[in-house]
Amino acid sequence: EVVMTQSPATLSVSPGERATLYCRTSQSVSSNLAWYQQKPGQAPRLLIYGASTRATGFPDRFSGSGFGTEFTLTISSLQSEDFAVYYCQQYNYWPPWTFGQGTKVEIK
Amino acid sequence: EVHLLESGGGLVQPGGSLRLSCAASGFSFRSYAMTWVRQAPGKGLEWVSGINSYGDTYYTESVKGRFTIARDSPKNTLFLQLNSLRAEDTAIYYCAKNFGDDFYYYYLDVWGRGTTVTVSS
Repeated sequence: EVVMTQSPATLSVSPGERATLYCRTSQSVSSNLAWYQQKPGQAPRLLIYGASTRATGFPDRFSGSGFGTEFTLTISSLQSEDFAVYYCQQYNYWPPWTFGQGTKVEIK
Repeated sequence: EVHLLESGGGLVQPGGSLRLSCAASGFSFRSYAMTWVRQAPGKGLEWVSGINSYGDTYYTESVKGRFTIARDSPKNTLFLQLNSLRAEDTAIYYCAKNFGDDFYYYYLDVWGRGTTVTVSS
C-alpha cells in the first residue's frame, strides 16, 4: 500500500497570501496524483489530476507540481472561498487507491 | 449536468446490513468505473470499493467479505451492500464517478453528496 503523508496538518493563512501544501508518497507514483478540495458539510471536489492539470471550474491561482514522491499544491493568493481541507490521492498503484490525511487551510 | 445521488443510509445495529444506492444521471453510466469512498466523523477520506465498466471489482481490506459493490447499468445505478456492520463502518459514504472506464487514471471527477451510515446499538 502506498502511504500518503500530507503536511502541514493545518495551515493558517491570511486572505491574499500564498499557501503551499505538500504531499509525499511512500513510493514513486510518477505523476499519477490528484488533489481534492472539501469544504465543511460538502462532498470533495476534484481540483488537480495528473499532478498538475487543473480540473474544470478552478481558477488559475491553484497550481499543482511534482513527480515521483514529492508533490505540491500552491494557492497563489488565497480567497475566502479557498478555506477548506485539501486531500491528495495516488492512482499509480492499486488496490487500494490511497488518500492523504488532509491539510486544513484556515483563516489566520 | 452530471449528477450522483446516494440513498440508503441510516442507523443500524452492529452485525446488521444496509444497501446503499447511487443514482447517476447526465453521463453514460455504463462507460465509466465507479467508486465508493467513506469519511468517518471528523476524519479523512478512505477508498472503500471500486467497479470498472466491465464489472471487475476491488475492495479495501477491512471490508472484504462484508461489502459488495455492484452496478445496474440499464438503471444507471451503483450499489453497495453492507453486511456484518461494525461501529468502525460509521461514516458518510460517497459515490463517485471515475475519470475512465477501468482502474487506470483512477481519479474521481464527480461526487455525490453522500449518505450517512451509523452503526450503533
